[in-house]
Amino acid sequence: DIQMTQSPSSLSASVGDRVTITCRASQSISRYLNWYQQKPGKAPKLLIYAGSSLQSGVPSRFSGRGSGTDFTLTISSLQPEDFATYYCQQSYSTPTFGQGTKVEIK
Amino acid sequence: QVQLVESGGGVVQPGRSLRLSCTASGFTFSAYAIHWVRQTPGKGLEWVSLISYDGGNKYYTDSVKGRFTISRDNSKNTLFLQMDSLRPEDTAVYYCAREIYSGDSVSHFDYWGRGTLVTVSS
Repeated sequence: DIQMTQSPSSLSASVGDRVTITCRASQSISRYLNWYQQKPGKAPKLLIYAGSSLQSGVPSRFSGRGSGTDFTLTISSLQPEDFATYYCQQSYSTPTFGQGTKVEIK
Repeated sequence: QVQLVESGGGVVQPGRSLRLSCTASGFTFSAYAIHWVRQTPGKGLEWVSLISYDGGNKYYTDSVKGRFTISRDNSKNTLFLQMDSLRPEDTAVYYCAREIYSGDSVSHFDYWGRGTLVTVSS
């Protein structure tokens, strides 16, 4: 299985901050990388697919970059509703997820 | 609107069985592959199983092969997961999720259910 490693595992930030989360694959996955947001007690919500494509209805402050093994999710200006846990997921082979990055209020 | 609703979770003893259901609405269920994904505090999100749109192809993660069976009834817009020989490590919230492909053939899960909790404990 392809291992997905996210960093950091958690971070504290303030409203308005620019936040970047990194996801690294154990082998090249081209652009087969998706990002999800999850709030407590809720299902994951798709934010970004194919590395950089914004899912319909997702605010433009979210963006994704990368290909191969290294990917980033950036929130350009953190909003109160963005405090959540974020997961990357590869779909190059049998799906696997990163361990998650919890974004908390500073 | 697209909805996926899981049911059938509960508390069960090790070695016993449970059947989960996922009822779909708001889209042409028979046109989409559907996955089961589970989540535990310790292991995070883990893919469990996939069934193709017509039920002709099924895949499982290694840890459930031979114990879990995925199936679907397209006439009833319903997905199932038959879980036999349950183990404590199967304890998790189980989600069903719809698979869709982008224009460049990258699959992703665009809709998820709210999940159903399975607890395996004596």
